[in-house]
Amino acid sequence: NAGVMQNPRHLVRRRGQEARLRCSPMKGHSHVYWYRQLPEEGLKFMVYLQKENIIDESGMPKERFSAEFPKEGPSILRIQQVVRGDSAAYFCASSPRGAEQYFGPGTRLTVT
Amino acid sequence: GENVEQHPSTLSVQEGDSAVIKCTYSDSASNYFPWYKQELGKRPQLIIDIRSNVGEKKDQRIAVTLNKTAKHFSLHITETQPEDSAVYFCAASITLQDDMRFGAGTRLTVKP
Repeated sequence: NAGVMQNPRHLVRRRGQEARLRCSPMKGHSHVYWYRQLPEEGLKFMVYLQKENIIDESGMPKERFSAEFPKEGPSILRIQQVVRGDSAAYFCASSPRGAEQYFGPGTRLTVT
Repeated sequence: GENVEQHPSTLSVQEGDSAVIKCTYSDSASNYFPWYKQELGKRPQLIIDIRSNVGEKKDQRIAVTLNKTAKHFSLHITETQPEDSAVYFCAASITLQDDMRFGAGTRLTVKP
């Protein structure tokens, strides 16, 4: 059973471009969470999704950020018009019903 | 919503000594408390967790205690080793909602 997969592992974008981060949960997991980790800081919850539903997006910035978890395919975190402050590691985690979350390796986004 | 506070932010111990990290939470409905270890540049890894129907749980050199009345829980590492050096995060969630909030992290350094 493969673990949580994220790609790309490293992403470089210029200011104003779009960033798309992908997360494939572990097999059998229908819950996906996205977290952001700024350099030298902790994990900040962004959004919690189940298949085709956003359950809690209270941690998402109001503008430029969106997330989806379609019926088929990976979960996508999309950042439009990136700015330097978006540079961070973005982790997704998945869980089956029951709360234990397993993290992916993260995507390190660098905005130049 | 849930608010998790974690102390200390940094902790330095001598190899062989014990290390204790403490967390408090605000939502009395929280009933699942995992601890994650994150080595430099890597993903958070679940190391131990406890549910609210248990007061203490041990796994070799690691133990977690939970005081539901006081709404705090602690991670205890005995006989620390240099490879225990990492950032440790506590978290709390209400299992049925599967929303997890993290503490800010504790950077543990074990000096040989």
